[in-house]
Amino acid sequence: SYELTQPPSVSVFPGQTATISCSGNELSRQYGLWCQQKPGQAPVLVLYKDSERPSGIPERFSGSNSGTTVTLTISGVQPEDEADYYCLSADSTSTWVFGGGTKLTVL
Amino acid sequence: EVQLVESGGGLVQPGGSLRLSCVASGFKFTTYWMTWVRQAPGKGLEWVANIKQDGSDKYYADSVKGRFFISRDNAGNSVYLQMNSLRAEDTAVYYCTREFYYWGQGILVTVSS
Repeated sequence: SYELTQPPSVSVFPGQTATISCSGNELSRQYGLWCQQKPGQAPVLVLYKDSERPSGIPERFSGSNSGTTVTLTISGVQPEDEADYYCLSADSTSTWVFGGGTKLTVL
Repeated sequence: EVQLVESGGGLVQPGGSLRLSCVASGFKFTTYWMTWVRQAPGKGLEWVANIKQDGSDKYYADSVKGRFFISRDNAGNSVYLQMNSLRAEDTAVYYCTREFYYWGQGILVTVSS
């Protein structure tokens, strides 16, 4: 079955840049999306179509796709960005898959 | 304002059934695919199923295929998840989402004897 691979954890100091990668074969043909989830809360979409930001998402959130890897970049990380981040993508059979999630810690 | 409100969760014994409902408001329901996503305690997000705008296409995760069934009532702006033959590993918070852009608050399903 199709899998998306993310690093389990990323740590940065406030003001630094955080990058979270997500790898999967179908990403060369399908867009990647990114969701942010804080403890006890529902997920929030922060990027879609690899790099598009929904309304209300700060400009410090950006994304890219380099073939089989999509990357979420948070520039000038703020303490409130501490959360779990999940990538997701459709596969070739019109089903969807989430990555395992990355815990972003703001030191 | 877009709202998605889930209901129907609770405690059920292994092998039992449960039907989750999600009522949508604040947008034209018939324009969007609708999706169920779940999260087991302490675990990551798992896509469960989705359904096309007119209900003609439905897709399921392998882990629920043949046991869970998604449907929608466009007149009532609702999407449902019929869950049969429930297992302990189906214990999770279940979220209704509009193409991952908007999410409900989630509803807890606990499968235990």
